[in-house]
Amino acid sequence: DAEITQSPRHKIIETGRQVTLACHQTWNHNNMFWYRQDLGHGLRLIHYSYGVHDTNKGEVSDGYSVSRSNTEDLPLTLESAASSQTSVYFCASSGREPQHFGDGTRLSIL
Amino acid sequence: QKEVEQDPGPLSVPEGAIVSLNCTYSNSAFQYFMWYRQYSRKGPELLMYTYSSGNKEDGRFTAQVDKSSKYISLFIRDSQPSDSATYLCAMSEYNFNKFYFGSGTKLNVKP
Repeated sequence: DAEITQSPRHKIIETGRQVTLACHQTWNHNNMFWYRQDLGHGLRLIHYSYGVHDTNKGEVSDGYSVSRSNTEDLPLTLESAASSQTSVYFCASSGREPQHFGDGTRLSIL
Repeated sequence: QKEVEQDPGPLSVPEGAIVSLNCTYSNSAFQYFMWYRQYSRKGPELLMYTYSSGNKEDGRFTAQVDKSSKYISLFIRDSQPSDSATYLCAMSEYNFNKFYFGSGTKLNVKP
C-alpha cells in the first residue's frame, strides 16, 4: 500500500542547531506539503511543492526551507532552530485526490 | 475572519448516539469538501470527501454539503468509543493543490 513516511518520529535539539525532517511518499503524488500543528492554531502550512524543483512558501515559512529533487521526497530544514519552532510537524501529499498525511515528527527545541 | 470555521468542542456523547460535526466557510469557490479523523499522536486520516453539494454515505458516516448556506456536516451513527478522536474538515477549490482546514472538533464517545 502507498504511504507517507516521516522520520524521525521524535527529536530533541538545542536552540541554534540545524535539523532536517524527512518525508517520503510512495503515492507518486506531484503535490507535497509541510504543516505544523500546535494547540490553538490547528494545521498551519509551512511550505509546499507542486513538483520536482518547485517550492513555495506557506503562511508560516520564516525559519524553514525545503527542496524537491525527486517526486518522492520533500525534506524540511530548520536552519537555526528556535524554541518557538517546538511543534508537531506533518507532511502530506496529494494528486488527483485529497491529501494523505504522515504520522508526524514531534520536535522539541530546548 | 478565517476561511473555514469549526467549533473546537470538546463534544462528549454516550455510546450509540448520533454525532453531528459541522463547519462553515466563506469562500464560494470551494468545490471539494473533506473530513479527516485524527487520533492522538497520529496524522490526520482521510475519512471521506465530496464534490460540490449533496450527501455521501460510507458505513456509519454521512457527509453533507450545503453550498447555498456554506455549511458542511459529518454525521456519525451508532457512535463507538473507537470514534473518539479529533475531526477536521478541509476544503479545496477546483483541484487538490491547496487546502483550507478547520481547527478540528475533539469528540469523546463514552462507553
